[in-house]
Amino acid sequence: GEDVEQSLFLSVREGDSSVINCTYTDSSSTYLYWYKQEPGAGLQLLTYIFSNMDMKQDQRLTVLLNKKDKHLSLRIADTQTGDSAIYFCAESPAYNTDKLIFGTGTRLQVFP
Amino acid sequence: GAVVSQHPSWVICKSGTSVKIECRSLDFQATTMFWYRQFPKQSLMLMATSNEGSKATYEQGVEKDKFLINHASLTLSTLTVTSAHPEDSSFYICSARRLASYNEQFFGPGTRLTVL
Repeated sequence: GEDVEQSLFLSVREGDSSVINCTYTDSSSTYLYWYKQEPGAGLQLLTYIFSNMDMKQDQRLTVLLNKKDKHLSLRIADTQTGDSAIYFCAESPAYNTDKLIFGTGTRLQVFP
Repeated sequence: GAVVSQHPSWVICKSGTSVKIECRSLDFQATTMFWYRQFPKQSLMLMATSNEGSKATYEQGVEKDKFLINHASLTLSTLTVTSAHPEDSSFYICSARRLASYNEQFFGPGTRLTVL
């Protein structure tokens, strides 16, 4: 079956780096995504990585993919209070790339 | 660009009534829209995939007669929760995929349904 797991909570000090981890079970995943959810707003796609890539960097965001261990991480450099939100990882299975299977979400709290 | 709205943002209804939730893509055409359900402190669960002009495809375990989906135009999909009961109380989120987009989904802000 398909299962995506995340730790529920992460607290970091402003200016530090945050690392949010995700594990998944579906080895046929094609794309893996990171979404951000803020109160009252729709999920915002932050970044995605294709399954044949190991790393992707986009400004303050770095995504690492370990396909062997089925582990995905999102690193946010120089974390700001505006980064406080819930972060979801998601994967698209090969049998239906329209489908998104979400993790449980990690609540990131940034304190001054 | 790529803004998706939902209406209403929250609704409270009595048990046994039906509730309609609208999902609109405001500045793009969406061939495909998706409906998700999110329980507190849990992930989003895909309920159904809706293609314009055709019947929705429901995920396993989702009652199609309970959750009626209509996708009558390239910018509007509706979800009707029929004969709502307290266990239907949840946060319902839609997303839309833009024409010619690889498969990025743009999400609406969600609708909180509370059934008394």
